[in-house]
Amino acid sequence: AQSVAQPEDQVNVAEGNPLTVKCTYSVSGNPYLFWYVQYPNRGLQFLLKYITGDNLVKGSYGFEAEFNKSQTSFHLKKPSALVSDSALYFCAVRDSSASKIIFGSGTRLSIRP
Amino acid sequence: DADVTQTPRNRITKTGKRIMLECSQTKGHDRMYWYRQDPGLGLRLIYYSFDVKDINKGEISDGYSVSRQAQAKFSLSLESAIPNQTALYFCATHRGNTEAFFGQGTRLTVV
Repeated sequence: AQSVAQPEDQVNVAEGNPLTVKCTYSVSGNPYLFWYVQYPNRGLQFLLKYITGDNLVKGSYGFEAEFNKSQTSFHLKKPSALVSDSALYFCAVRDSSASKIIFGSGTRLSIRP
Repeated sequence: DADVTQTPRNRITKTGKRIMLECSQTKGHDRMYWYRQDPGLGLRLIYYSFDVKDINKGEISDGYSVSRQAQAKFSLSLESAIPNQTALYFCATHRGNTEAFFGQGTRLTVV
């Protein structure tokens, strides 16, 4: 069965510092991994995905994520946080056998000026 | 126009009433999903459909039903609404290994 875990409900970072939002997953086959962001009163916006290839994936708004197969992780990172990055972030996974997409519980990122 | 449109955007209904949430997409994708979002619980899958004749239950399908009227349309019904179905509901669509595209959400309140 598929599962995805975001172990931190909230992450607090000072503006200009690097940020990491953690995600671990479990699938039976090869994983397809995604990060989404949700701003208040908005739908979910796609940030980046890993399907195959380079383990470091670059996405929108300067975000990147690193796929680590041995640790079954796909952590979201940004070298220098902005106050405007404050939002709710979701990790999602499906396996390559054409299964459904499931989401983690979300991590609220708060960037202080 | 949005790629994924949900109607209504907001709805207040009474306990015991039947309500339908509608979703339509212009992406031409075959796969469609309904999720509900509750604070601290993330997005939980209610139902999903991989084509018009394929409907599957998600992790929290009790109390809900769906209809895939066409490739582009996927409706969610609450046959007899109850207060703990108060939530934000999202429709999404994707194809193959693409990312999912989401509607703007329907905020449902059951009083």
